[in-house]
Amino acid sequence: EAGVAQSPRYKIIEKRQSVAFWCNPISGHATLYWYQQILGQGPKLLIQFQNNGVVDDSQLPKDRFSAERLKGVDSTLKIQPAKLEDSAVYLCASSLEFGGIEQFFGPGTRLTVL
Amino acid sequence: GESVGLHLPTLSVQEGDNSIINCAYSNSASDYFIWYKQESGKGPQFIIDIRSNMDKRQGQRVTVLLNKTVKHLSLQIAATQPGDSAVYFCAERKGNQFYFGTGTSLTVIP
Repeated sequence: EAGVAQSPRYKIIEKRQSVAFWCNPISGHATLYWYQQILGQGPKLLIQFQNNGVVDDSQLPKDRFSAERLKGVDSTLKIQPAKLEDSAVYLCASSLEFGGIEQFFGPGTRLTVL
Repeated sequence: GESVGLHLPTLSVQEGDNSIINCAYSNSASDYFIWYKQESGKGPQFIIDIRSNMDKRQGQRVTVLLNKTVKHLSLQIAATQPGDSAVYFCAERKGNQFYFGTGTSLTVIP
């Protein structure tokens, strides 16, 4: 089966610009996660979707980050405006059910903010 | 946030030897502990999990041990191979949240 797809793979922007990341989870997976992984650290969970609804966004910096999963499949994560400290790899993952222990991760989008 | 930490940031082992990667956690309310492997340029890959009411679980060439008394988790890899070279993360699930540790970089020396 196809894995989790993410695009773009790399993005370089200047601070205060906007950026968007796209994720296509594994077909049939109800739950989608966005993580932020700063260099040298483990992934940090930002937001979780169950189908097209947000179930937890407590770790999402809502003043600048937003995410949506309108049709319960693909998802986009947006940062507006970006700050230097947003430089990280943004990982998308999916699981068959909510709270699924086994999450399947995409390759991530590496964001560099200059 | 929660604290899931690793004892050592790097580990080097000879090919064929066994590897042991350790992890300390601070949250007793977590119901699952999970190990992930992350190769360079890729997303994390699930290896094995263990429920909090278990002490040991075995998979293919891997064993996870959980010591709740000292809040310690370990991943043992038998007969380590060059393909095992990666960063290994322990993670825990508490409620609907997942918390990852910092990671241990494992290098296998041929």
